[in-house]
Amino acid sequence: AQSVTQPDIHITVSEGASLELRCNYSYGATPYLFWYVQSPGQGLQLLLKYFSGDTLVQGIKGFEAEFKRSQSSFNLRKPSVHWSDAAEYFCAVGLLGGGGNKLTFGTGTQLKVEL
Amino acid sequence: NAGVTQTPKFQVLKTGQSMTLQCAQDMNHEYMSWYRQDPGMGLRLIHYSVGAGITDQGEVPNGYNVSRSTTEDFPLRLLSAAPSQTSVYFCASTPLTGRTEAFFGQGTRLTVV
Repeated sequence: AQSVTQPDIHITVSEGASLELRCNYSYGATPYLFWYVQSPGQGLQLLLKYFSGDTLVQGIKGFEAEFKRSQSSFNLRKPSVHWSDAAEYFCAVGLLGGGGNKLTFGTGTQLKVEL
Repeated sequence: NAGVTQTPKFQVLKTGQSMTLQCAQDMNHEYMSWYRQDPGMGLRLIHYSVGAGITDQGEVPNGYNVSRSTTEDFPLRLLSAAPSQTSVYFCASTPLTGRTEAFFGQGTRLTVV
């Protein structure tokens, strides 16, 4: 069965430090991959997406992610974290049709930013 | 452009009550789905639909019912609410083909007491 693993439940970083959130997936075919962010009490905001092509994907708010087929990973990175980045981050894989259909989500990583 | 609209935003139910969570989209997307979000478990797919008249079960369908009579609407019904259904519910829509992400509603926070 398809699955998405986010091994880090909580991560704390200092403001200005770099960030990497891990995501591993298990899926037989080429996956469609997404990162979403959720602030407390809010809905989901798409950070970036990967469908094919260049394996380094740029997103909003200065985030990027790299698709590594050999490692079945799609890790999210940011060079310098801002206090406003504190939120919960979800990795997801799309399993049907063209892209964002029938998503399987990871369990999320809660990011805390220390000032 | 409204996108995906969910109503209500908040709801408290008593055990055994029934209710319908509404979801409407104005983007003419074929695919619509319902997820529930629980702490530490991410979002899990409840039911989905690939077009009017076609629905299928996701990962956690028990206790929920759906129908899709129009392209725009995809209501989620709780026939007899249970405390285990306390959760935040998200509706999403996508074109069935083409490389695009899912568009999510703002969520419905449901508490069953």
